[in-house]
Amino acid sequence: SQQGEEDPQALSIQEGENATMNCSYKTSINNLQWYRQNSGRGLVHLILIRSNEREKHSGRLRVTLDTSKKSSSLLITASRAADTASYFCATPRSNDYKLSFGAGTTVTVRA
Amino acid sequence: GAGVSQSPSNKVTEKGKDVELRCDPISGHTALYWYRQSLGQGLEFLIYFQGNSAPDKSGLPSDRFSAERTGGSVSTLTIQRTQQEDSAVYLCASSPTATGGSSPLHFGNGTRLTVT
Repeated sequence: SQQGEEDPQALSIQEGENATMNCSYKTSINNLQWYRQNSGRGLVHLILIRSNEREKHSGRLRVTLDTSKKSSSLLITASRAADTASYFCATPRSNDYKLSFGAGTTVTVRA
Repeated sequence: GAGVSQSPSNKVTEKGKDVELRCDPISGHTALYWYRQSLGQGLEFLIYFQGNSAPDKSGLPSDRFSAERTGGSVSTLTIQRTQQEDSAVYLCASSPTATGGSSPLHFGNGTRLTVT
């Protein structure tokens, strides 16, 4: 069954604006990962945040994790056309090696 | 360095035919996963290999699906008697370890399977 659910399903923004997407999950986790998928390509790992972390940064990416609400957010600042892609959150169930992916958020950055 | 390689990139087959999809993981990665992605959907777990352990086949949708991993490296996913609902992108991923799911996955570009 699907563990993570992203919201919104789709997002369209102007270049230079920020994009925020959210992920909710159902069971306890030891980490949460975000991936990006460009059209026709495989997924690329962006960032991993552990359950004892609340916020993590990587370049223009900022990820937050609220384990009490079982939710995470991904913020892309100063978006570029190259950020156009689908973004997925992925969570392993506790003591499980399988990553469960949501249906993703499709982000379109308009020039 | 070389990433995860999948072949073919596209496959069109007639309903009822068998197909084989190949995955070459990153050298040294002991964990290998197959996922299926239908149009506009998330990833559906199919099967997992870890070292010499018995594979976890719990995600395979039917007995028409099988997979093997030879020598702890290359993996082949076989779909027998293909059906139209098998049409999807099949993604392979590898990671150096699978402890608690804490290792990021490295994905190939997938095989787009179309069953006509």
